[in-house]
Amino acid sequence: GENVEQHPSTLSVQEGDSAVIKCTYSDSASNYFPWYKQELGKGPQLIIDIRSNVGEKKDQRIAVTLNKTAKHFSLHITETQPEDSAVYFCAAAKAAGNKLTFGGGTRVLVKP
Amino acid sequence: SAVISQKPSRDICQRGTSLTIQCQVDSQVTMMFWYRQQPGQSLTLIATANQGSEATYESGFVIDKFPISRPNLTFSTLTVSNMSPEDSSIYLCSARTRVGNTEAFFGQGTRLTVV
Repeated sequence: GENVEQHPSTLSVQEGDSAVIKCTYSDSASNYFPWYKQELGKGPQLIIDIRSNVGEKKDQRIAVTLNKTAKHFSLHITETQPEDSAVYFCAAAKAAGNKLTFGGGTRVLVKP
Repeated sequence: SAVISQKPSRDICQRGTSLTIQCQVDSQVTMMFWYRQQPGQSLTLIATANQGSEATYESGFVIDKFPISRPNLTFSTLTVSNMSPEDSSIYLCSARTRVGNTEAFFGQGTRLTVV
Protein backbone atom coordinates (compact mmCIF):
# COMPACT_ATOMS: atom_id res chain seq x y z
CA GLY A 1 0.00 0.00 0.00
CA GLU A 2 0.87 3.67 -0.05
CA ASN A 3 3.45 5.05 2.37
CA VAL A 4 3.88 8.79 2.98
CA GLU A 5 6.91 10.20 4.77
CA GLN A 6 6.93 13.77 6.06
CA HIS A 7 9.81 15.96 7.19
CA PRO A 8 10.64 17.69 9.42
CA SER A 9 8.61 16.53 12.40
CA THR A 10 9.02 19.91 14.07
CA LEU A 11 9.79 23.31 12.59
CA SER A 12 10.41 26.56 14.42
CA VAL A 13 10.54 29.77 12.40
CA GLN A 14 10.66 33.46 13.14
CA GLU A 15 7.58 35.45 12.27
CA GLY A 16 7.85 36.71 8.70
CA ASP A 17 10.18 33.93 7.58
CA SER A 18 9.18 31.07 5.27
CA ALA A 19 8.40 27.51 6.27
CA VAL A 20 8.82 24.49 4.03
CA ILE A 21 7.52 20.98 4.72
CA LYS A 22 8.39 18.06 2.47
CA CYS A 23 6.65 14.75 1.80
CA THR A 24 7.49 11.71 -0.25
CA TYR A 25 5.12 8.97 -1.35
CA SER A 26 5.68 5.45 -2.57
CA ASP A 27 2.76 4.59 -4.88
CA SER A 28 3.19 6.04 -8.37
CA ALA A 29 -0.57 5.62 -8.91
CA SER A 30 -1.32 8.32 -6.34
CA ASN A 31 -2.43 11.53 -7.98
CA TYR A 32 -4.13 13.65 -5.33
CA PHE A 33 -2.10 15.38 -2.61
CA PRO A 34 -3.86 17.49 0.03
CA TRP A 35 -2.41 19.38 2.96
CA TYR A 36 -4.22 19.75 6.26
CA LYS A 37 -3.71 22.10 9.18
CA GLN A 38 -4.71 20.89 12.62
CA GLU A 39 -4.96 23.27 15.54
CA LEU A 40 -5.08 22.08 19.11
CA GLY A 41 -8.38 20.41 19.95
CA LYS A 42 -9.73 20.63 16.42
CA GLY A 43 -10.08 18.35 13.43
CA PRO A 44 -7.79 18.68 10.40
CA GLN A 45 -8.69 21.50 8.03
CA LEU A 46 -7.94 21.26 4.31
CA ILE A 47 -5.76 24.23 3.35
CA ILE A 48 -4.59 23.39 -0.15
CA ASP A 49 -4.35 20.44 -2.49
CA ILE A 50 -2.74 19.55 -5.78
CA ARG A 51 -3.43 17.00 -8.47
CA SER A 52 -0.82 15.22 -10.52
CA ASN A 53 -1.56 17.13 -13.70
CA VAL A 54 -0.30 20.31 -12.01
CA GLY A 55 3.24 21.09 -10.85
CA GLU A 56 2.49 23.99 -8.57
CA LYS A 57 -0.49 25.67 -6.95
CA LYS A 58 -0.64 28.82 -4.89
CA ASP A 59 -3.21 30.36 -2.59
CA GLN A 60 -2.13 33.64 -1.02
CA ARG A 61 0.73 32.84 1.37
CA ILE A 62 0.70 29.09 0.86
CA ALA A 63 1.88 27.10 -2.13
CA VAL A 64 2.36 23.45 -2.93
CA THR A 65 4.75 21.94 -5.46
CA LEU A 66 4.69 18.43 -6.86
CA ASN A 67 7.43 16.41 -8.53
CA LYS A 68 5.81 13.23 -9.84
CA THR A 69 9.04 11.81 -11.16
CA ALA A 70 10.71 12.00 -7.78
CA LYS A 71 7.43 11.27 -5.96
CA HIS A 72 7.64 14.17 -3.60
CA PHE A 73 5.62 17.25 -2.85
CA SER A 74 6.14 20.24 -0.60
CA LEU A 75 4.19 22.90 1.26
CA HIS A 76 5.56 26.43 1.34
CA ILE A 77 4.27 29.07 3.74
CA THR A 78 5.61 32.57 3.20
CA GLU A 79 5.52 35.54 5.58
CA THR A 80 4.62 33.28 8.48
CA GLN A 81 2.40 34.61 11.23
CA PRO A 82 1.80 33.33 14.78
CA GLU A 83 -1.59 31.97 13.69
CA ASP A 84 0.22 29.64 11.31
CA SER A 85 1.41 27.70 14.37
CA ALA A 86 -0.23 24.28 14.16
CA VAL A 87 0.41 20.70 13.07
CA TYR A 88 0.44 20.21 9.31
CA PHE A 89 -0.23 16.90 7.60
CA CYS A 90 0.37 15.89 4.01
CA ALA A 91 -1.57 13.04 2.44
CA ALA A 92 -1.83 11.09 -0.79
CA ALA A 93 -4.69 9.31 -2.58
CA LYS A 94 -5.43 7.62 -5.87
CA ALA A 95 -7.79 8.83 -8.56
CA ALA A 96 -10.49 6.37 -7.58
CA GLY A 97 -11.19 8.78 -4.78
CA ASN A 98 -10.51 6.35 -2.06
CA LYS A 99 -8.69 6.61 1.21
CA LEU A 100 -6.11 9.17 2.14
CA THR A 101 -2.76 8.03 3.49
CA PHE A 102 -1.29 10.62 5.84
CA GLY A 103 2.25 11.63 6.59
CA GLY A 104 3.46 11.74 10.17
CA GLY A 105 2.81 15.46 10.64
CA THR A 106 4.93 18.55 11.20
CA ARG A 107 4.51 20.72 14.26
CA VAL A 108 5.16 24.32 13.19
CA LEU A 109 5.88 27.02 15.73
CA VAL A 110 6.04 30.61 14.56
CA LYS A 111 7.85 32.78 17.06
CA PRO A 112 6.80 36.42 17.26
CA SER B 1 -17.27 22.06 1.67
CA ALA B 2 -19.32 20.20 4.27
CA VAL B 3 -19.86 20.81 7.96
CA ILE B 4 -19.30 17.66 9.98
CA SER B 5 -20.52 17.41 13.55
CA GLN B 6 -19.42 14.73 15.97
CA LYS B 7 -20.93 13.79 19.29
CA PRO B 8 -19.69 13.52 21.96
CA SER B 9 -16.71 15.86 21.66
CA ARG B 10 -15.03 14.06 24.54
CA ASP B 11 -15.72 11.32 27.05
CA ILE B 12 -14.09 9.42 29.87
CA CYS B 13 -15.13 5.78 29.97
CA GLN B 14 -14.53 2.77 32.15
CA ARG B 15 -12.62 -0.14 30.70
CA GLY B 16 -14.81 -2.92 29.43
CA THR B 17 -17.62 -0.60 28.37
CA SER B 18 -18.53 0.63 24.88
CA LEU B 19 -18.97 4.11 23.43
CA THR B 20 -20.85 5.07 20.30
CA ILE B 21 -19.71 8.18 18.44
CA GLN B 22 -22.10 9.92 16.08
CA CYS B 23 -21.19 11.79 12.92
CA GLN B 24 -23.66 14.07 11.14
CA VAL B 25 -22.92 15.87 7.87
CA ASP B 26 -24.93 18.89 6.75
CA SER B 27 -25.23 17.66 3.16
CA GLN B 28 -25.38 14.38 1.31
CA VAL B 29 -21.92 12.93 0.89
CA THR B 30 -20.57 10.13 -1.22
CA MET B 31 -18.10 8.58 1.20
CA MET B 32 -17.62 8.63 4.96
CA PHE B 33 -14.57 7.48 6.87
CA TRP B 34 -13.49 6.95 10.45
CA TYR B 35 -9.94 7.69 11.59
CA ARG B 36 -8.04 7.24 14.82
CA GLN B 37 -5.42 9.72 15.96
CA GLN B 38 -3.39 8.71 18.97
CA PRO B 39 -1.90 11.52 21.07
CA GLY B 40 0.75 13.41 19.10
CA GLN B 41 0.45 11.03 16.16
CA SER B 42 -0.87 11.03 12.62
CA LEU B 43 -4.23 9.84 11.39
CA THR B 44 -4.86 6.16 10.78
CA LEU B 45 -7.86 5.03 8.77
CA ILE B 46 -10.09 2.60 10.67
CA ALA B 47 -12.71 1.96 8.01
CA THR B 48 -14.85 3.30 5.21
CA ALA B 49 -18.50 3.54 6.20
CA ASN B 50 -20.70 2.22 3.38
CA GLN B 51 -24.32 3.23 3.16
CA GLY B 52 -26.62 0.31 3.75
CA SER B 53 -23.87 -2.30 3.88
CA GLU B 54 -21.01 -3.43 6.04
CA ALA B 55 -18.07 -1.09 6.48
CA THR B 56 -14.74 -1.79 4.82
CA TYR B 57 -12.06 -2.17 7.50
CA GLU B 58 -8.36 -1.49 7.22
CA SER B 59 -5.73 -3.96 8.29
CA GLY B 60 -5.57 -4.16 12.06
CA PHE B 61 -9.16 -3.08 12.65
CA VAL B 62 -12.08 -5.50 13.01
CA ILE B 63 -15.82 -5.17 13.04
CA ASP B 64 -16.24 -6.76 16.47
CA LYS B 65 -14.11 -4.06 18.03
CA PHE B 66 -15.24 -1.10 15.90
CA PRO B 67 -18.76 -1.72 14.58
CA ILE B 68 -19.84 1.01 12.17
CA SER B 69 -23.24 1.95 10.83
CA ARG B 70 -24.25 4.27 8.01
CA PRO B 71 -28.02 4.20 7.59
CA ASN B 72 -28.17 7.12 5.16
CA LEU B 73 -26.03 9.57 3.18
CA THR B 74 -25.51 12.05 6.02
CA PHE B 75 -25.08 10.00 9.20
CA SER B 76 -22.70 7.39 10.56
CA THR B 77 -21.78 5.92 13.94
CA LEU B 78 -18.61 4.29 15.23
CA THR B 79 -18.71 2.14 18.36
CA VAL B 80 -15.57 1.42 20.32
CA SER B 81 -16.35 -1.87 22.05
CA ASN B 82 -14.99 -3.48 25.20
CA MET B 83 -12.64 -0.55 25.72
CA SER B 84 -9.19 -0.71 27.22
CA PRO B 85 -6.78 2.14 28.05
CA GLU B 86 -5.07 1.51 24.69
CA ASP B 87 -8.23 2.77 22.98
CA SER B 88 -7.67 6.22 24.43
CA SER B 89 -7.39 8.37 21.34
CA ILE B 90 -9.09 10.95 19.17
CA TYR B 91 -11.62 9.49 16.76
CA LEU B 92 -12.35 11.53 13.65
CA CYS B 93 -15.14 11.33 11.13
CA SER B 94 -14.40 12.40 7.55
CA ALA B 95 -16.55 12.82 4.47
CA ARG B 96 -16.12 13.36 0.78
CA THR B 97 -18.82 15.45 -0.80
CA ARG B 98 -19.01 14.77 -4.53
CA VAL B 99 -18.49 11.82 -6.83
CA GLY B 100 -15.09 12.12 -8.42
CA ASN B 101 -14.04 14.81 -5.97
CA THR B 102 -11.32 13.64 -3.66
CA GLU B 103 -11.52 16.58 -1.23
CA ALA B 104 -12.18 15.21 2.24
CA PHE B 105 -13.37 17.18 5.25
CA PHE B 106 -13.15 16.31 8.93
CA GLY B 107 -15.22 16.69 12.04
CA GLN B 108 -13.73 18.18 15.18
CA GLY B 109 -13.05 14.76 16.64
CA THR B 110 -14.05 12.84 19.75
CA ARG B 111 -11.41 12.69 22.46
CA LEU B 112 -11.80 9.40 24.29
CA THR B 113 -10.08 8.54 27.54
CA VAL B 114 -10.44 5.03 28.94
CA VAL B 115 -9.69 4.56 32.63
